[in-house]
Amino acid sequence: GNSVTQMEGPVTLSEEAFLTINCTYTATGYPSLFWYVQYPGEGLQLLLKATKADDKGSNKGFEATYRKETTSFHLEKGSVQVSDSAVYFCAFGNEKLTFGTGTRLTIIP
Amino acid sequence: DAMVIQNPRYQVTQFGKPVTLSCSQTLNHNVMYWYQQKSSQAPKLLFHYYDKDFNNEADTPDNFQSRRPNTSFCFLDIRSPGLGDAAMYLCATSSLFYTDTQYFGPGTRLTVL
Repeated sequence: GNSVTQMEGPVTLSEEAFLTINCTYTATGYPSLFWYVQYPGEGLQLLLKATKADDKGSNKGFEATYRKETTSFHLEKGSVQVSDSAVYFCAFGNEKLTFGTGTRLTIIP
Repeated sequence: DAMVIQNPRYQVTQFGKPVTLSCSQTLNHNVMYWYQQKSSQAPKLLFHYYDKDFNNEADTPDNFQSRRPNTSFCFLDIRSPGLGDAAMYLCATSSLFYTDTQYFGPGTRLTVL
């Protein structure tokens, strides 16, 4: 069946460190892929998305590339900031929007 | 700004006392969704409307109902809240179905005493 496997947290990094959060999916067809971010006490916000193979989504210094051959959509950022502390959800959409379990990221100054 | 609004942000109810959560949108989107999110978990889809067509997830308890009187508004009714229903309830909208971006409201945190 459809599923998303996301790197488990929590993840703690120092400011300006490099970030990778792994995400792989199992799905039929060609889903759209998303990263959503949830700041404390708030709803989810779209961070970036990609709709077809080899597309790269990017926003606020974050990037992720739709890799059909490895069914992956890993999130990366070259230099994280304290304000990036949040929970990050990988998701794909075809028959329904399927979320990963979320990765809590904490950035320390 | 176009957005998804949820009221109230915090709701306290008593065990078994019906409660209604509200969602409105200014995006004029066709699809509206209700999710339940418990602490440190991913959002779980309860149901969605495509225009007036209601679609219930197979594992959504009968205790949860929804109404969509017009394009802009959607309500979540919990007929007899139990302690296990305490959670954050998220409303979302999208123009098309699941391949499209969903826009989320800030959520309503429900406490059941």
